[in-house]
Amino acid sequence: EADIYQTPRYLVIGTGKKITLECSQTMGHDKMYWYQQDPGMELHLIHYSYGVNSTEKGDLSSESTVSRIRTEHFPLTLESARPSHTSQYLCASSEGDRRQETQYFGPGTRLLVL
Amino acid sequence: GENVEQHPSTLSVQEGDSAVIKCTYSDSASNYFPWYKQELGKRPQLIIDIRSNVGEKKDQRIAVTLNKTAKHFSLHITETQPEDSAVYFCAASVYNQGGKLIFGQGTELSVKP
Repeated sequence: EADIYQTPRYLVIGTGKKITLECSQTMGHDKMYWYQQDPGMELHLIHYSYGVNSTEKGDLSSESTVSRIRTEHFPLTLESARPSHTSQYLCASSEGDRRQETQYFGPGTRLLVL
Repeated sequence: GENVEQHPSTLSVQEGDSAVIKCTYSDSASNYFPWYKQELGKRPQLIIDIRSNVGEKKDQRIAVTLNKTAKHFSLHITETQPEDSAVYFCAASVYNQGGKLIFGQGTELSVKP
């Protein structure tokens, strides 16, 4: 079944650790996005990609980095986690056709940095 | 850049009543307006969307209206049910900016049985 997958779903980690949040989609979509969301609050775009080897920073400044080596895979990395990074991270994708901008979301990763 | 304001932040209605959530946007070039529903602990899910060449769209108990002149759009839910309780987000997008979505702040809807 076509879907967006995120791992891990929950992560508790100590300050200073390097972490990578995984996002994969089997939707066949070109565009992928990362959002940061505190529970029940506004979604903030932190990174996006229009295709392989394309990455852009979003509207919310983030210390994380992303890569897009394969169409279906869009991992997000924090080199040194801090308590201020505690949040939920949502991955999304869309077709990329200018008439099909609907974004579909993954289940999210809840990150707690101690 | 685009800015989307959403009101109210919380809304409580009795089962069977109607609920209306309003959003305003700042960029007149915005031309795609989706609405997402996010239940507690779940991912946001698209419930309805509207494009700028349409003034109103309905899907069963849900409708969205768009006023391009005033730059606002609204979500209408009729005959509300307890399972409609969730956080609802509006968003706006501009084609020539790569389809990025700018989200509103969210409305927590509570439907009391």
